[in-house]
Amino acid sequence: GDSVTQMEGPVTLSEEAFLTINCTYTATGYPSLFWYVQYPGEGLQLLLKATKADDKGSNKGFEATYRKETTSFHLEKGSVQVSDSAVYFCARLAGGTSYGKLTFGQGTILTVHP
Amino acid sequence: EAQVTQNPRYLITVTGKKLTVTCSQNMNHEYMSWYRQDPGLGLRQIYYSMNVEVTDKGDVPEGYKVSRKEKRNFPLILESPSPNQTSLYFCASSSPVLANEQFFGPGTRLTVL
Repeated sequence: GDSVTQMEGPVTLSEEAFLTINCTYTATGYPSLFWYVQYPGEGLQLLLKATKADDKGSNKGFEATYRKETTSFHLEKGSVQVSDSAVYFCARLAGGTSYGKLTFGQGTILTVHP
Repeated sequence: EAQVTQNPRYLITVTGKKLTVTCSQNMNHEYMSWYRQDPGLGLRQIYYSMNVEVTDKGDVPEGYKVSRKEKRNFPLILESPSPNQTSLYFCASSSPVLANEQFFGPGTRLTVL
């Protein structure tokens, strides 16, 4: 079945460090890919998305590129801030008859220290 | 303001006492879903609905019911809650017109004793 695998966390970084959170997905069909962020005590917010191979999603300094050849959608940021501390979820949206069904990775807790 | 609302936000109940968590969206979205979030498991889909009177099971539907009588509302019903349903629940809505970007409610933290 559809699945998404994220790197194990938690991840702890110092401010201005480079961030990578790995994400791989099952290649069935032509999924859309998303990164969601959950700040403490809040719901999920869409961070960025990509709907086809080689698309790059970007927002708030975060980037991720849809790599069909490696079935990956790794999240990167060149210089993290304390305010980026949150839980990050990679997600895969099935097309076809499963419209609306998001499959999430297990989430990666990011903590950024001053 | 475009939003998804859930009520209640927090609920503590006892095993076997029926409860309903409401979800409402004001964006005229066709699709609505319920997810539960558990540590180390991410979010898992419970049920989804593609339109009024059209619902289907997600990955973890056991112990839950839903209905979609109106486009804006998608309540989650626990007929006989059990402690393993203690979790954080999120409702979401989306539309194919918006490339199925899902908008999430603020969450409902449920504890079943």
